Amino acid sequence: NAGVMQNPRHLVRRRGQEARLRCSPMKGHSHVYWYRQLPEEGLKFMVYLQKENIIDESGMPKERFSAEFPKEGPSILRIQQVVRGDSAAYFCASSPSSGSRYEQYFGPGTRLTVT
Amino acid sequence: AQRVTQPEKLLSVFKGAPVELKCNYSYSGSPELFWYVQYSRQRLQLLLRHISRESIKGFTADLNKGETSFHLKKPFAQEEDSAMYYCALSGLGTDKLIFGTGTRLQVFP
Repeated sequence: NAGVMQNPRHLVRRRGQEARLRCSPMKGHSHVYWYRQLPEEGLKFMVYLQKENIIDESGMPKERFSAEFPKEGPSILRIQQVVRGDSAAYFCASSPSSGSRYEQYFGPGTRLTVT
Repeated sequence: AQRVTQPEKLLSVFKGAPVELKCNYSYSGSPELFWYVQYSRQRLQLLLRHISRESIKGFTADLNKGETSFHLKKPFAQEEDSAMYYCALSGLGTDKLIFGTGTRLQVFP
């Protein structure tokens, strides 16, 4: 089992461009979480998805950010019209089911730099 | 407000010395508390959780509801313990984790 995969590992975008971050959960996991880590801060929850459903998006900025987890393929975190403040490390985690008793397994992260 | 506080950014000790990484939390309810660790060039991984009441790699953590703390302790630090440690909480019935800002532990030989 290769673990949670994220790509790209590093992404550079100019202000105003779109950023697409991909996350492939561990085999057998149908629950995906996205977290963002700004410099000198801890990871902050963004969104929790199951296949084809957004379960909790309470941490998502109201504008420009969206997430999906289609029936087939990876989960995608999309940031439109990026700004310098979006520069951060974005981590994806997956678990086999819902509930805090199930461990969340983290990917290596995507480091987004907005120039 | 739900919050996890790790007051120390950096903790440096010598090999064999005791280690205590502090974690305090604020949560209106009964949270579950976790410690995650990130070794150099590796992914964030779960170290231990309070409901398991187990010792992992010699580390233990006791939930103190009166002091709202969940400090991580090890009696004798090893060089391979050098890593970034994050305290996190999850609320009852929720799946999201709330993380502290992390403490970097450096263990010198």
